[in-house]
Amino acid sequence: ILNVEQSPQSLHVQEGDSTNFTCSFPSSNFYALHWYRWETAKSPEALFVMTLNGDEKKKGRISATLNTKEGYSYLYIKGSQPEDSATYLCAFGGNYGQNFVFGPGTRLSVLP
Amino acid sequence: DTAVSQTPKYLVTQMGNDKSIKCEQNLGHDTMYWYKQDSKKFLKIMFSYNNKELIINETVPNRFSPKSPDKAHLNLHINSLELGDSAVYFCASSQVSGRAGNTEAFFGQGTRLTVV
Repeated sequence: ILNVEQSPQSLHVQEGDSTNFTCSFPSSNFYALHWYRWETAKSPEALFVMTLNGDEKKKGRISATLNTKEGYSYLYIKGSQPEDSATYLCAFGGNYGQNFVFGPGTRLSVLP
Repeated sequence: DTAVSQTPKYLVTQMGNDKSIKCEQNLGHDTMYWYKQDSKKFLKIMFSYNNKELIINETVPNRFSPKSPDKAHLNLHINSLELGDSAVYFCASSQVSGRAGNTEAFFGQGTRLTVV
């Protein structure tokens, strides 16, 4: 089973701060990298699916970049809001995407 | 209509029992997954399955087995339940093959299993 790491493990920021976190994954046999947002007592919901080296995706104040050659992806949140508080998961798909392995997540708390 | 639905939402059972958790997706996806949320709240893949291949995480005890009656269903059977099996189990589906390429996974709401 593949090793997917995320850092930091948890993060506390003030409302209005911008923040970013990292997902590290194997650089070989890459198929796709997903980012999910997981609120307590709910199911994970997809933010981005990234497949190409150099991909940049954006959704509102959230954006992500992908470097498949060195095996990392960054997630950025601009102007954090309390409703951004959640655990952010990345998932690495190898083996033609059939074997999705999730990282441990970064737990973000945005303080008003 | 819920895209990925799991039943039951809560399951309390005694050690040694055999139980099943059902999962259905109406998205037409070709691949379904079972994940276990462990004690540290991490999502650990247990199985991924499409009509061609079953991929099993080798750390999963063979008391756990996936059963897929058709493409839209992937049920999880657990034999001889143990206290350590208590966890939240999530089913998910995605489209892996085809022109659209790999889509994101859609998750069910989770099943909280408690073994007493």
